Amino acid sequence: DVKVTQSSRYLVKRTGEKVFLECVQDMDHENMFWYRQDPGLGLRLIYFSYDVKMKEKGDIPEGYSVSREKKERFSLILESASTNQTSMYLCASSTYGGNEQFFGPGTRLTVL
Amino acid sequence: GQNIDQPTEMTATEGAIVQINCTYQTSGFNGLFWYQQHAGEAPTFLSYNVLDGLEEKGRFSSFLSRSKGYSYLLLKELQMKDSASYLCAVREETGANNLFFGTGTRLTVIP
Repeated sequence: DVKVTQSSRYLVKRTGEKVFLECVQDMDHENMFWYRQDPGLGLRLIYFSYDVKMKEKGDIPEGYSVSREKKERFSLILESASTNQTSMYLCASSTYGGNEQFFGPGTRLTVL
Repeated sequence: GQNIDQPTEMTATEGAIVQINCTYQTSGFNGLFWYQQHAGEAPTFLSYNVLDGLEEKGRFSSFLSRSKGYSYLLLKELQMKDSASYLCAVREETGANNLFFGTGTRLTVIP
């Protein structure tokens, strides 16, 4: 059974904190993605990666960075969390050029 | 830029048929996708169209017209468990498979 896991389902942080969100997939997929999902705005792509140590900006990369040191793991980093980064964060993976993205369960982050 | 438009909410009756429309304007096109997302859960893949026409998969079908920038998802014999959000997404012509999503249509199935 294919699996994408995320380190936390719920997370509460304070403004200014550095936040790490981890995503791991066990399908040997080349592509990995980070989205955020907000009511009325839908899923928006933050960053994606198509290979180890490779990263590409998505639609809304400001305030975020990513790290992909191993093929199975893709980390999203909020260098200095702000209240407008309160959101649901979803990680996904796919084969290179594949038609289906597999999503993790999501992390609901609240920044106070 | 990209613009993907779909209705915000729809309601339909158990056992009926419902059609969820999606229109898009993107600078490139390399496929249209439909995902289902139950409340509090992750999206799951439903369908993929890259050529014009209808793709049928059990109770669900998806249609694409590239010249009109239009797709629909057709759900037949609605069941209560079909209550969910349905997300339309477009892949532009990039190599890494990144998608642009619409805001989703929340479907409520009533008895």
